[in-house]
Amino acid sequence: GEEVAQTPKHLVRGEGQKAKLYCAPIKGHSYVFWYQQVLKNEFKFLISFQNENVFDETGMPKERFSAKCLPNSPCSLEIQATKLEDSAVYFCASSQSPSWDEQYFGPGTRLTVT
Amino acid sequence: ELKVEQNPLFLSMQEGKNYTIYCNYSTTSDRLYWYRQDPGKSLESLFVLLSNGAVKQEGRLMASLDTKARLSTLHITAAVHDLSATYFCAVGDSNYQLIWGAGTKLIIKP
Repeated sequence: GEEVAQTPKHLVRGEGQKAKLYCAPIKGHSYVFWYQQVLKNEFKFLISFQNENVFDETGMPKERFSAKCLPNSPCSLEIQATKLEDSAVYFCASSQSPSWDEQYFGPGTRLTVT
Repeated sequence: ELKVEQNPLFLSMQEGKNYTIYCNYSTTSDRLYWYRQDPGKSLESLFVLLSNGAVKQEGRLMASLDTKARLSTLHITAAVHDLSATYFCAVGDSNYQLIWGAGTKLIIKP
């Protein structure tokens, strides 16, 4: 597609429950990035993929967060045992070649942990 | 560690005035991006700056990059209400992840 698609738009989970977010990158883009935006506008990088391979996972809290990008499927970001501090908007972005191209952002998934 | 400082964080201005948002970063990078975010919305790409001295203009917005000073500016000319939004600068690190400024919330009053 011509836009990055993210589902769901909103997700509410009780503390300790699992949350799974999905992202379909723009067709032809081989890089996918996940960012977390918390209430004070602060953006935090989580993980990136080049095709189905993890490219950079330095931002991932590995104990509870995991992500995948499998061929012919949307990419996913999963949070096991959510905590209140996981409440944020999670943005996915894709890029054809991030060395010179911009990252195109999806509409985001707002996760609320209660 | 790459850090990005953006200022001001909040800017209220009158329509028709000019102003500049500044973005400083701490280590070498050759990729700087400006994005716009409206409340509750996603990020809209405004400019991609890839070389020292790069200057790009779109309507009332102009962005520039000085890699030696590690400084980018976003200049607003004759502001109009429609430009009210939060503006972010972001710097690309060696692994392509974006390191973000804190954002400048811009309010333009009629």
